[in-house]
Amino acid sequence: QKEVEQNSGPLSVPEGAIASLNCTYSDRGSQSFFWYRQYSGKSPELIMSIYSNGDKEDGRFTAQLNKASQYVSLLIRDSQPSDSATYLCAVSLHRSNAGKSTFGDGTTLTVKP
Amino acid sequence: DTAVSQTPKYLVTQMGNDKSIKCEQNLGHDTMYWYKQDSKKFLKIMFSYNNKELIINETVPNRFSPKSPDKAHLNLHINSLELGDSAVYFCASSQETVYNEQFFGPGTRLTVL
Repeated sequence: QKEVEQNSGPLSVPEGAIASLNCTYSDRGSQSFFWYRQYSGKSPELIMSIYSNGDKEDGRFTAQLNKASQYVSLLIRDSQPSDSATYLCAVSLHRSNAGKSTFGDGTTLTVKP
Repeated sequence: DTAVSQTPKYLVTQMGNDKSIKCEQNLGHDTMYWYKQDSKKFLKIMFSYNNKELIINETVPNRFSPKSPDKAHLNLHINSLELGDSAVYFCASSQETVYNEQFFGPGTRLTVL
């Protein structure tokens, strides 16, 4: 079993729709959870971080964490063509600087005009 | 005013050569990382340094050697390059008090011929 698993994708949604990206993790001791966006040919960019159960909203983005189910998701409301990218889920075991972040394989999102 | 910078951006070299990639961050962060992203876009951590001390050393060939002269710089030296080393190498940094949220450099695309 992979440490961090994401929807295999690719995911395609029409402009204005809600895109839902999912991620599960295997280590129950995981403390910190991140979503990175990576445009083609560019570097990963942190867009959301979440540390406690529940929802965290930032503009059109909502991260959801359920530690009991070992599940974290990212919702993108009112999807725009500029949201088309690969989204990487990352999980860190320790809430510390030295903790390693393990990345999922990524889900490629295409938002069609 | 680039936050995390890497040089060179592209590196094309022959098998068997030795090459180095340099990374610098001006964010005042305490921890720096090297990641490898292969052709399938999987992002895997290689090394992590915290205040010039090696913290994470994943299973990578001994041909790869990181060096951190100070906490703002982390270099990667690769000996006897092989075809399988072709990938994009990303440097990243994080600040101790912000739960491992990482900021990535632009990447170095290494091609071994």
